[in-house]
Amino acid sequence: NAGVTQTPKFRILKIGQSMTLQCTQDMNHNYMYWYRQDPGMGLKLIYYSVGAGITDKGEVPNGYNVSRSTTEDFPLRLELAAPSQTSVYFCASTGTEFWNTEAFFGQGTRLTVV
Amino acid sequence: GIQVEQSPPDLILQEGANSTLRCNFSDSVNNLQWFHQNPWGQLINLFYIPSGTKQNGRLSATTVATERYSLLYISSSQTTDSGVYFCAGTNKFYFGSGTKLNVKP
Repeated sequence: NAGVTQTPKFRILKIGQSMTLQCTQDMNHNYMYWYRQDPGMGLKLIYYSVGAGITDKGEVPNGYNVSRSTTEDFPLRLELAAPSQTSVYFCASTGTEFWNTEAFFGQGTRLTVV
Repeated sequence: GIQVEQSPPDLILQEGANSTLRCNFSDSVNNLQWFHQNPWGQLINLFYIPSGTKQNGRLSATTVATERYSLLYISSSQTTDSGVYFCAGTNKFYFGSGTKLNVKP
């Protein structure tokens, strides 16, 4: 049981490039989330999903897109990367309503845009 | 939106000391959780505590929902307790900016 797996762990992008951050969970959780964490700050919600085919915006969705075609996978797409997207990205999942049960986080993806 | 304030922002302890971390919400919160982020960046759920008190080893937490605050107690601190402690709550996923704890041997 691997929990929540994020890939890659590190990535350097040039301004204007695009990439997809992968997130997979093997706990059959319905709820999945993407956060970004800037240095010295808390976590800001980018997008979340309450099940396959259903996604919604969080606090800071601009510049990102998501999809949820399966229960297990919740990829985050960055289009036209900008230096402001330099951050650590975390994926999380939980079985039911996020705050009613324990949340599991991935190890994070450290992204630098230069 | 709801504001989440944590105090203190930074805390330095000698190993063996006790500490109390506080989390205040600007509005009622019914689903409060505490997390620990270790120096390697990993986030671990410590407590789901919408109200009342829970204990897990040297850690305990108390939430007074009617007064919109929660406390995290760390007793007999160890160097492995170092890192950042976050509280978070509401179904809009608000996180505080955290308390950075450094426990010195």
